[in-house]
Amino acid sequence: DSGVTQTPKHLITATGQRVTLRCSPRSGDLSVYWYQQSLDQGLQFLIQYYNGEERAKGNILERFSAQQFPDLHSELNLSSLELGDSALYFCASSVEAGGNTDTQYFGPGTRLTVL
Amino acid sequence: AQSVTQPDIHITVSEGASLELRCNYSYGATPYLFWYVQSPGQGLQLLLKYFSGDTLVQGIKGFEAEFKRSQSSFNLRKPSVHWSDAAEYFCAVSPLGGATNKLIFGTGTLLAVQP
Repeated sequence: DSGVTQTPKHLITATGQRVTLRCSPRSGDLSVYWYQQSLDQGLQFLIQYYNGEERAKGNILERFSAQQFPDLHSELNLSSLELGDSALYFCASSVEAGGNTDTQYFGPGTRLTVL
Repeated sequence: AQSVTQPDIHITVSEGASLELRCNYSYGATPYLFWYVQSPGQGLQLLLKYFSGDTLVQGIKGFEAEFKRSQSSFNLRKPSVHWSDAAEYFCAVSPLGGATNKLIFGTGTLLAVQP
């Protein structure tokens, strides 16, 4: 158990819908990362927040957005869903934002299926 | 652009045999290097990491990895594989001294273990 929790574990929805994925980082970690794992794209970094502020952006679609709340949990919002958005979405957390020997700990993931 | 190459998509070894999984990276300077393992239906677990110093790094579950600067490689090894090692293995890099610790992953190597 990494200490990172993600809900829900599974999510099935239809095209055009909007969903919210939730992540709670390990106690004491200020940084949250979101990754997408799909068959065609592999594991891709989407976005990072540090202490409530966006820190880095990767291959995140405009239909996707995220935020980190004062209690440090984070939510990833996916809207106007398409079949290709079906994937496993991981959240990871670490103490710092960058520039050091920090380690990221991953949650169990949320499996999103878009029908 | 930063990239990670894992040339072997799928490897099968016999239980008790030795294992080497290959990883090459492309980056302007030596980045932070990681190996993660993903068991079926599970999240990612850190096996080991290299930041600096001794180029032979020991990790959990009996794994080790050797950093070779001249070859831009960070290969993962285990002297004797157990059936429970069957999983997917990901090599990853993170920018050195950057503003973010985001991870860039390779495409993964799926390890099957024969009895």
